[in-house]
Amino acid sequence: ETGVTQTPRHLVMGMTNKKSLKCEQHLGHNAMYWYKQSAKKPLELMFVYSLEERVENNSVPSRFSPECPNSSHLFLHLHTLQPEDSALYLCASSHARGSYEQYFGPGTRLTVT
Amino acid sequence: DQQVKQNSPSLSVQEGRISILNCDYTNSMFDYFLWYKKYPAEGPTFLISISSIKDKNEDGRFTVFLNKSAKHLSLHIVPSQPGDSAVYFCAASAYNTDKLIFGTGTRLQVFP
Repeated sequence: ETGVTQTPRHLVMGMTNKKSLKCEQHLGHNAMYWYKQSAKKPLELMFVYSLEERVENNSVPSRFSPECPNSSHLFLHLHTLQPEDSALYLCASSHARGSYEQYFGPGTRLTVT
Repeated sequence: DQQVKQNSPSLSVQEGRISILNCDYTNSMFDYFLWYKKYPAEGPTFLISISSIKDKNEDGRFTVFLNKSAKHLSLHIVPSQPGDSAVYFCAASAYNTDKLIFGTGTRLQVFP
């Protein structure tokens, strides 16, 4: 596979569930990002990782927990979410931290019931 | 407060004509601007960018214009093609930050 992949593409979970979103990039990039896109709102940056180290946490609630085990993989662990967390979650990567040209995955459409 | 604004949620243009998508920003620290295109069920894809030291950047059918005094940029697509139908996002970044600040997008429809 090439580019940035995300699994699952769709996820429905209850408020008491625990689930994880997975992102993998095949571009040899060193920086990875999680974004949230809610309906009729701009993409919001959630987390930035550079060389597996978290360098940005954009005031995200602790019910979202990122993990970056290596430069190719990024996870977003979800627990006790709220219905307002329903959104499209996009992963992106870039050559290096601060590289503006980011490459996005297709996203995971999350619905919290 | 939205720092990057795309005030037109949609635009409809006939094939062969020019499409002009607009974007306004409020933060004078922004020094790099990008346009992304998004098809349904896909992530945004990078289209074209411009640095604040320039006022124009051209790539094939796509040209981005930057007016720093007005804090305004625009994307021109000419000639427009049906395959250009997508949502277009404007994004901006300030020097030495990791953040891209996105607009809400403009849905372009190019009809035959």
